[in-house]
Amino acid sequence: KAGVTQTPRYLIKTRGQQVTLSCSPISGHRSVSWYQQTPGQGLQFLFEYFSETQRNKGNFPGRFSGRQFSNSRSEMNVSTLELGDSALYLCASSPAGTGQTGELFFGEGSRLTVL
Amino acid sequence: AQKVTQAQTEISVVEKEDVTLDCVYETRDTTYYLFWYKQPPSGELVFLIRRNSFDEQNEISGRYSWNFQKSTSSFNFTITASQVVDSAVYFCALSEATRGGSEKLVFGKGTKLTVNP
Repeated sequence: KAGVTQTPRYLIKTRGQQVTLSCSPISGHRSVSWYQQTPGQGLQFLFEYFSETQRNKGNFPGRFSGRQFSNSRSEMNVSTLELGDSALYLCASSPAGTGQTGELFFGEGSRLTVL
Repeated sequence: AQKVTQAQTEISVVEKEDVTLDCVYETRDTTYYLFWYKQPPSGELVFLIRRNSFDEQNEISGRYSWNFQKSTSSFNFTITASQVVDSAVYFCALSEATRGGSEKLVFGKGTKLTVNP
């Protein structure tokens, strides 16, 4: 069974640009979550999508957005990039329905560097 | 607010030593889940265990064991007879109860474990 696939794995952008990251969940998984990992702040929850609806959102500015498609694939977008957005962005999928399991399956992440 | 504290930033041991990773959590929820994840250098987090707030039984899986104590709000992880392959960053996490269900986890800052041969 294929795992969670994130693309691109590495990317470099400059301040002010925007970026779109993609996540393909494990087949059959309907929940997709995004996390930002930085050395200073650690792992922080960005948002979660379930059945194309945003079910929960973390404390990030509106520059961070996401969406989920009917096939459960998800994208996240960061507009007007800042140096502080440099991070590893991790996507996780879960087979969960309306319950809470938290057994998330993570991808290897997209490492974004903002210059 | 939910909070997870992993006081040990880095631990270094020699192979075959036992090592315990500490995790202390804060929550006002009566129903919650606790987790441990392992992050090898490749970056992906690997799920190790989930424990719900109503089950305080300790769990053992091979060389891994977990001790959950609600009285001290702790969920510690012990690796027995550590091996070089155990070297990774280990995260403790707490699920937050939200209306309508959610997979949101609150993570600790992680403990980097280095097992030297």
